[in-house]
Amino acid sequence: NAGVTQTPKFQVLKTGQSMTLQCAQDMNHNSMYWYRQDPGMGLRLIYYSASEGTTDKGEVPNGYNVSRLNKREFSLRLESAAPSQTSVYFCASRFPGQFEKLFFGSGTQLSVL
Amino acid sequence: DQQVKQNSPSLSVQEGRISILNCDYTNSMFDYFLWYKKYPAEGPTFLISISSIKDKNEDGRFTVFLNKSAKHLSLHIVPSQPGDSAVYFCAAESDNTDKLIFGTGTRLQVFP
Repeated sequence: NAGVTQTPKFQVLKTGQSMTLQCAQDMNHNSMYWYRQDPGMGLRLIYYSASEGTTDKGEVPNGYNVSRLNKREFSLRLESAAPSQTSVYFCASRFPGQFEKLFFGSGTQLSVL
Repeated sequence: DQQVKQNSPSLSVQEGRISILNCDYTNSMFDYFLWYKKYPAEGPTFLISISSIKDKNEDGRFTVFLNKSAKHLSLHIVPSQPGDSAVYFCAAESDNTDKLIFGTGTRLQVFP
């Protein structure tokens, strides 16, 4: 049972380059999320998707776009990477409902030079 | 503006003693609170939760306390073990949203 799978695990970009972080879950979850983790800032929500075909902004959406390709997959795109986007990115998913646990992937470490 | 804050970035506790991790929130609409634990190079994993209709929830060595009037929650670990060394995040959400807001994290180190 793979759970939440993120690719790639590591990436180095130059300022201005673009890339897409991929996320897939095999738990039949409806809701999917993208967070970034930075020292002293904790985990901050970038975008989330309550169901296939819907996406909403989180706390720090600027500079990112997302696509909920189907129920399993939720991708995060950086169109023009900036050094401020150097971070560890986590994808997560859960069933709908307030009392449902969030399951996380193992993260993507991104450096923008 | 950080809606969920953990004011202690780190905590060091001796094995066998109690670890107390604190969390404050500002949004009075939050009504469900969770603690997640994170080891290096792994994603966070769920630890324990509490609904706003309760003021305490226990699960083995872990107890979460909620003080709604103070907008404060705490996680107690008794007794602390070296394997508890990790970063702990508190999180909160309200019933009318589908998003979980996390705090800044506290790094716990349990030494022998």
